Amino acid sequence: KQEVTQIPAALSVPEGENLVLNCSFTDSAIYNLQWFRQDPGKGLTSLLLIQSSQREQTSGRLNASLDKSSGRSTLYIAASQPGDSATYLCAVEKGGSEKLVFGKGTKLTVNP
Amino acid sequence: ETGVTQSPTHLIKTRGQQVTLRCSSQSGHNTVSWYQQALGQGPQFIFQYYREEENGRGNFPPRFSGLQFPNYSSELNVNALELDDSALYLCASSLTNEQFFGPGTRLTVL
Repeated sequence: KQEVTQIPAALSVPEGENLVLNCSFTDSAIYNLQWFRQDPGKGLTSLLLIQSSQREQTSGRLNASLDKSSGRSTLYIAASQPGDSATYLCAVEKGGSEKLVFGKGTKLTVNP
Repeated sequence: ETGVTQSPTHLIKTRGQQVTLRCSSQSGHNTVSWYQQALGQGPQFIFQYYREEENGRGNFPPRFSGLQFPNYSSELNVNALELDDSALYLCASSLTNEQFFGPGTRLTVL
C-alpha cells in the first residue's frame, strides 16, 4: 500500500528565505508526482507535475525534483514571500490510474 | 475554458440524513474523481468515474455512491450520514495525467 509522508508538518520562515519541502513515498512504482497548494478551507491548486521519467520541473520561483529510486521528491521555493503562506501537498499517481495518494501536507508560514 | 466548479459551498446536515454534492468538470475532461479531506489530513480517494462508469474505488463504504452524466458533470451521494463524514469534499477532473481540483464543498454533520 502506497504511503506518502511530508516533512516537516509545519515551517515558519522570514520573507526572502529559500526553503525546501520534502515528500517521500513507499512504493517507487509511480506514474507521476504532483505538488499542490491549498489555502485555508479552499480547494487545491496544481503547482507542478513531474512524470516518472522526469527528474525535475520548474515554474517561476518553484522547482520540484523527483528521485523515484529513493522514493523522494523535494519542492524548492526561492525568495519566499508572505503570499506563499499555505499548505503544500504532494501526491503520487500509480500506473496511470489518475488516482492520487496524498501526504498530509506541510503548512508554510512566511513572515514579513 | 472554465475550471472545475462545485456546489454547494457549505452544507450542514444531521446524522442519518442523505446529501448530494455536485461537480462540474473542466471543459473536455472525461474523468472525474472525488476525494474526502478531513481537517488536518491529506485528501483521501473515494472513487473515480470515466465516461459515466465507475473506474475504481477507495476504502469507503457503499453508502458513498456517485454518478457521472453525459456532459461529464458528476454527483457524490452519501446516505445515512455519520459525524465522521464531516469534511471537505473535493472533486477533480482530468483528461490526461494532470488533475484539476474544484474549490470543494464543506460538509458538517451534527
